[in-house]
Formats: sequence, C-alpha cells, structure tokens
Amino acid sequence: DTEVTQTPKHLVMGMTNKKSLKCEQHMGHRAMYWYKQKAKKPPELMFVYSYEKLSINESVPSRFSPECPNSSLLNLHLHALQPEDSALYLCASSQDSALNEKLFFGSGTQLSVL
Amino acid sequence: RKEVEQDPGPFNVPEGATVAFNCTYSNSASQSFFWYRQDCRKEPKLLMSVYSSGNEDGRFTAQLNRASQYISLLIRDSKLSDSATYLCVVNTHTGNQFYFGTGTSLTVIP
Repeated sequence: DTEVTQTPKHLVMGMTNKKSLKCEQHMGHRAMYWYKQKAKKPPELMFVYSYEKLSINESVPSRFSPECPNSSLLNLHLHALQPEDSALYLCASSQDSALNEKLFFGSGTQLSVL
Repeated sequence: RKEVEQDPGPFNVPEGATVAFNCTYSNSASQSFFWYRQDCRKEPKLLMSVYSSGNEDGRFTAQLNRASQYISLLIRDSKLSDSATYLCVVNTHTGNQFYFGTGTSLTVIP
C-alpha cells in the first residue's frame, strides 16, 4: 500500500469560514508534509512534521495551522483565508530514514477561497 | 541562486521523437535525485530515482553528473501519454528538505 489519502478533494470556503484538510498514510512513514501549489508552479513547502513534531515551518501565515495527531495523520486547519490562498494543497510523506528518501503525494485538495 | 534550476519549456515534440530534459542543482551535498511527473490538476508522481551509474526504465533514462551537478531525463519514442510536466527534485538529507525545479512542460503532438 503506497497511498497517501487526502480529504476533501475539493473545498470552497468563504473568508470567514473555518475548515480543515485531512491527510492519512499507512506506510509507516515518519515524515509528513504540507505543500501549496499554484497553477504552472512547482509545489511550495509549507510545513514538515518529523516523528510527529513540527520540524519546518516555512514562514507560513498563522491562518494556516498544522496538526499531527499521530504518525499516520496530518491535518491543516484553515481560518480567515484570503482569495490568494486558493491553490492545490498537497500532503506528502516520506520514510525519514535519510536513505534514498522518496516523497509520496496525496491527490491533493483543490481549495477555492471566495 | 535557486537550489534547483530547470528549463520550464514548453517542449512540443512529435510522437516518436526523443526528448531530453536537464536540471542543475546548487548544493554539492545533495544526496538523492528524482524525476516526478505531474499531470494537469493531479499530484506529482515519482517517475524515477536517479543514480550516479545512470538508470533506465523502458523508454526513460535518467543520468546524474555529480561533478557538473546536473541530472537529466531522456524519453525515447515519445507517446501522447507522455504529455505532462516533469519535475526535477533533489534531497540533501538534512531536515527533510526536498527542493523542486520549476518543472518542464512536455506536449507530445500526434
């Protein structure tokens, strides 16, 4: 099973809404990531969790709040987003073993902020 | 200077053509190298890892040149289904940092 599952696949929200994106993997990976991707651009790193601890926060605005309840789950809580936050949000995982690390991506959540 | 530089293209090639993409990286301590393929509105999917000895998977060949700090992807006998964006990805093995190139857009034309 080499799958990273993300829900929802699509999300439309207003600027005053609170919503959460969810990500799950059962590959025993110990590193999990949130990326943001705009059209025709590469994925842009937002957060990295390693062994359930936040290890990288790429100066992401506080309206994005990550949470890692356990080694298999990763959430991204959204509050008071702006229209420019509309993008494809990708979750990914890797073994975190420093040996030929590979990233495995979920299918993403296409987010539209109105 | 960007960690990973990649020609964004677009590359428009006829079916059956051979096409090559190159990518350069700036950190000589980089350890792992990959090519990912991304279709429109889909997630990136691992196409190939890239090793110093070079590796081949069917019509796809990847090469790594550590001295010049570049990696390449060669696609032979292009198919319509090869149309996608190809992302070069480099990992330095410090702090779970994967660095992405801008992606190269390929369209294979009938």
